[in-house]
Amino acid sequence: DAEITQSPRHKITETGRQVTLACHQTWNHNNMFWYRQDLGHGLRLIHYSYGVQDTNKGEVSDGYSVSRSNTEDLPLTLESAASSQTSVYFCASSDDSTGELFFGEGSRLTVL
Amino acid sequence: AQSVTQPDIHITVSEGASLELRCNYSYGATPYLFWYVQSPGQGLQLLLKYFSGDTLVQGIKGFEAEFKRSQSSFNLRKPSVHWSDAAEYFCAVGDLTGGGNKLTFGTGTQLKVEL
Repeated sequence: DAEITQSPRHKITETGRQVTLACHQTWNHNNMFWYRQDLGHGLRLIHYSYGVQDTNKGEVSDGYSVSRSNTEDLPLTLESAASSQTSVYFCASSDDSTGELFFGEGSRLTVL
Repeated sequence: AQSVTQPDIHITVSEGASLELRCNYSYGATPYLFWYVQSPGQGLQLLLKYFSGDTLVQGIKGFEAEFKRSQSSFNLRKPSVHWSDAAEYFCAVGDLTGGGNKLTFGTGTQLKVEL
């Protein structure tokens, strides 16, 4: 079955370190998204991509970057982790026809 | 810019009782609306969606939602709640311009079911 996987599922890092969260989907979807989930804020869009070599900023993109070199992967990089980036991160993908997002199980990041 | 408001942060209902979760949206054009459910430690799962046509949409697990344009609402309902429905529920509005489908989510409603 097609799926979307995130790694690592849990990570603890220190302020100032670079962190990369991986997202891999086997749906062959064009669209991929990164959201962060925080209490009281729901899910907020960080970055998204509508195809290879396409990346776009979401509402909370500061301090994050993504790259899309193939259809399957959209890694999220925190260039210099900050305590404010402690959160649960969700990757999602979708095709163009239904609008439905398929979510990974999340990556819990703690920045000390 | 599009936005979604879920006015109820927490709701508690008894098992077997009916349920209605509120959702109001702001969007300049015809909205694409979704309800997702999240169980603890899990990702989000789609319950139902509205794109066009019949304003009452049926979803999985016995849920339904009604689109009311005049009220900018898309409330989720279930006639009889089961203990397994305890979860967090998110309403979302989609922007399908630019060839993609960027969703904006509400802050969620945590549902507790009393046995």
